[in-house]
Amino acid sequence: SAVISQKPSRDICQRGTSLTIQCQVDSQVTMMFWYRQQPGQSLTLIATANQGSEATYESGFVIDKFPISRPNLTFSTLTVSNMSPEDSSIYLCSVEDVGVRETQYFGPGTRLLVL
Amino acid sequence: AQSVSQHNHHVILSEAASLELGCNYSYGGTVNLFWYVQYPGQHLQLLLKYFSGDPLVKGIKGFEAEFIKSKFSFNLRKPSVQWSDTAEYFCAVKLFAGQNFVFGPGTRLSVLP
Repeated sequence: SAVISQKPSRDICQRGTSLTIQCQVDSQVTMMFWYRQQPGQSLTLIATANQGSEATYESGFVIDKFPISRPNLTFSTLTVSNMSPEDSSIYLCSVEDVGVRETQYFGPGTRLLVL
Repeated sequence: AQSVSQHNHHVILSEAASLELGCNYSYGGTVNLFWYVQYPGQHLQLLLKYFSGDPLVKGIKGFEAEFIKSKFSFNLRKPSVQWSDTAEYFCAVKLFAGQNFVFGPGTRLSVLP
């Protein structure tokens, strides 16, 4: 399965600032996904990021708040913009492995605390 | 809208007890089904998955799950749990040929030594 890394692993940010989270995969993948896992809750899909096209956002998430880049088949970034304490969460990157179709593998997550 | 429910929020067991975690989904079409586990401080890992064929699937670490189509269920089982099974367990459903996963709310399992 694909090996996924994320940077930073955790951060503490001030209200009103922005944070960009990086996701790196050790192999080329077509589909990458960004999730949010709020404290004590399940995973919620933010958007799907395919290389060469605009990200597709789920209901309740907008590009202005969560801009995503997907410059190539091994890398993506998610920016959390104009942060508020409600954005405190774990942000997870996942990929659908080309070698194991229909299955998603997850990165270690970025734990974000907004003060 | 498609949804996934998990019967228990928190399950507490003693070591060697048997485990069954419930998962039900609401979609009537063809689905792919997954169980993921999140150990404390670690990232989500795939335990097992069902796409088609034998409805009883075996995963890693002695876990298995049974797909019962008539009940829209995909319950996770383990005959004898260990302290190291303490973790959060998530059931997930993906529509056939769809892109997106829908995750259940998770069940926290605490195994007492």
